[in-house]
Amino acid sequence: AQKVTQAQTEISVVEKEDVTLDCVYETRDTTYYLFWYKQPPSGELVFLIRRNSFDEQNEISGRYSWNFQKSTSSFNFTITASQVVDSAVYFCALNSGGSNYKLTFGKGTLLTVNP
Amino acid sequence: DGGITQSPKYLFRKEGQNVTLSCEQNLNHDAMYWYRQDPGQGLRLIYYSQIVNDFQKGDIAEGYSVSREKKESFPLTVTSAQKNPTAFYLCASNFGSSGNTIYFGEGSWLTVV
Repeated sequence: AQKVTQAQTEISVVEKEDVTLDCVYETRDTTYYLFWYKQPPSGELVFLIRRNSFDEQNEISGRYSWNFQKSTSSFNFTITASQVVDSAVYFCALNSGGSNYKLTFGKGTLLTVNP
Repeated sequence: DGGITQSPKYLFRKEGQNVTLSCEQNLNHDAMYWYRQDPGQGLRLIYYSQIVNDFQKGDIAEGYSVSREKKESFPLTVTSAQKNPTAFYLCASNFGSSGNTIYFGEGSWLTVV
């Protein structure tokens, strides 16, 4: 069975602070893919990153960085120098088992960045 | 512009009525999906379609129906059999291969009055 846990329901920070959103996943498959999506108040899910299980290299994109650790089944997301525009719900998701349709989502973390 | 278009953005339905949510994509994607989102919850898969004229039930298909007559279109009908239809509905699509990124539309809010 696949499962994604985002233990942090809500996080509130002040602008310019760094913040890390946690994601822990469960799967028995050796091949799987992990994703992060951002959902701003408008509702649309915006794709941020995709990672496959064979690539543990961490990635940085501007103020965003991702730490993938298979040993702890975690795929954490860090925003450096947060901005008010980063306020949104962030979802971590898992696709595994060769099932292209099955994207299992965590319940999301609501990030509020205050000025 | 390329993308996934959902309509209407907001919809009100009386109890006992069926309602259809539209989803169109011009990304030439093979697979299309419908997800439901409830407050404080993650997304749950309702139906998906990997090719035209074929579709499969997801985790919460009861009370919903779909069709896939064209590659670009995947409408979702919320029937009167759906006991708690008030939710945010998201349509999505991708090229259908394993691990391929799924892209989402802007969503439709359905409220039963």
